[in-house]
Amino acid sequence: NAGVTQTPKFQVLKTGQSMTLQCAQDMNHEYMSWYRQDPGMGLRLIHYSVGAGITDQGEVPNGYNVSRSTTEDFPLRLLSAAPSQTSVYFCASSYSRGSGNTIYFGEGSWLTVV
Amino acid sequence: AQSVAQPEDQVNVAEGNPLTVKCTYSVSGNPYLFWYVQYPNRGLQFLLKYITGDNLVKGSYGFEAEFNKSQTSFHLKKPSALVSDSALYFCAVRDITGGGADGLTFGKGTHLIIQP
Repeated sequence: NAGVTQTPKFQVLKTGQSMTLQCAQDMNHEYMSWYRQDPGMGLRLIHYSVGAGITDQGEVPNGYNVSRSTTEDFPLRLLSAAPSQTSVYFCASSYSRGSGNTIYFGEGSWLTVV
Repeated sequence: AQSVAQPEDQVNVAEGNPLTVKCTYSVSGNPYLFWYVQYPNRGLQFLLKYITGDNLVKGSYGFEAEFNKSQTSFHLKKPSALVSDSALYFCAVRDITGGGADGLTFGKGTHLIIQP
């Protein structure tokens, strides 16, 4: 029972480099999302998807791209990393968009941009 | 716009004593409310949620939360704290109206420290 799986766990990037954070869920969830966690700020929504082929922006989308080619996978791409993107990133999923559905989180990806 | 406030950055409780972690919210309509716990270098684990019905919600690890609509609060409680309860706790609200991002809006988190 894997749930939401994120890779890598830890990553160090140089400014200007690109990378992709991988996220996969095995619960057949329609709704997937990415959050970033910064000290003293809680978690903030970056991008979300309500199903394969459908993505949209959250609260802090700048500098990030997403795609949703399958129900299971929802990768987050940093095209040109900046020190301000140093953060902990969480992928999350829920059964559907319905507001009462519980959102389940992955274990997180710690990203440092130097 | 919806928002969540956790007024205490840190709560210290002696082991065996009851604990309360406070949360207040602001939404345009009726809320869906959640509590999550985060242990060091780990993801967020779901504890409990309020959707509708009984104002006292029971969750994992002996935690419960009381929904108070008039005070717009959803405080997390446990009758007897354990050292292993020490962690970072997040309160969150989800927009009941649907549409938009339909994501969770989080409070800033409260560090719970249980002293032996």
